[in-house]
Amino acid sequence: AQSVAQPEDQVNVAEGNPLTVKCTYSVSGNPYLFWYVQYPNRGLQFLLKYITGDNLVKGSYGFEAEFNKSQTSFHLKKPSALVSDSALYFCAAGSGGYQKVTFGTGTKLQVIP
Amino acid sequence: DAGVTQSPTHLIKTRGQQVTLRCSPKSGHDTVSWYQQALGQGPQFIFQYYEEEERQRGNFPDRFSGHQFPNYSSELNVNALLLGDSALYLCASGSGTGNNHEQYFGPGTRLTVT
Repeated sequence: AQSVAQPEDQVNVAEGNPLTVKCTYSVSGNPYLFWYVQYPNRGLQFLLKYITGDNLVKGSYGFEAEFNKSQTSFHLKKPSALVSDSALYFCAAGSGGYQKVTFGTGTKLQVIP
Repeated sequence: DAGVTQSPTHLIKTRGQQVTLRCSPKSGHDTVSWYQQALGQGPQFIFQYYEEEERQRGNFPDRFSGHQFPNYSSELNVNALLLGDSALYLCASGSGTGNNHEQYFGPGTRLTVT
């Protein structure tokens, strides 16, 4: 069975500082991994994905994520946080040929001005 | 190019009633997946439709059923509603072939069961 863990319910960071939102996963076979962002009362917006290739994946709005196979992690990072980055972030993982993905419980990012 | 659309936006139902939610996929997509997101939780996979057939199913009871039409749009039906069915229901579309695995989500339908 697939599982995704986001160990932090909330991450607080000062504006301009680097941010990291953690994610670990467990899937059978080669994983494909995603990060999504959700603003209040909205659906999920795609940020980035890892399917194969370079371990460092660059995505929307200056976000990037590093795939670490040995640690089964896919942490989301941004060099300089903006107040507008404050939102709920979800990590998701899947494997196999279909698009069923398992989501983590989400991490609330609060960027403090 | 319209993205994934869902209707209605909000819905209030009473316990025991039945509800139908609708989803139109992004242009060019042929696969539709449905997710339930309870308050404070991550989305939970309900099922996925491809070529008008249910291709995968998560751990949801038979009260949850669906349909996909020839134009790839989809419906989610929930019978005998329970208070615990109150949630945001998200539809996601993608391509059924290839290795993209990327899904685009709609804005969701907020279902409240009283």
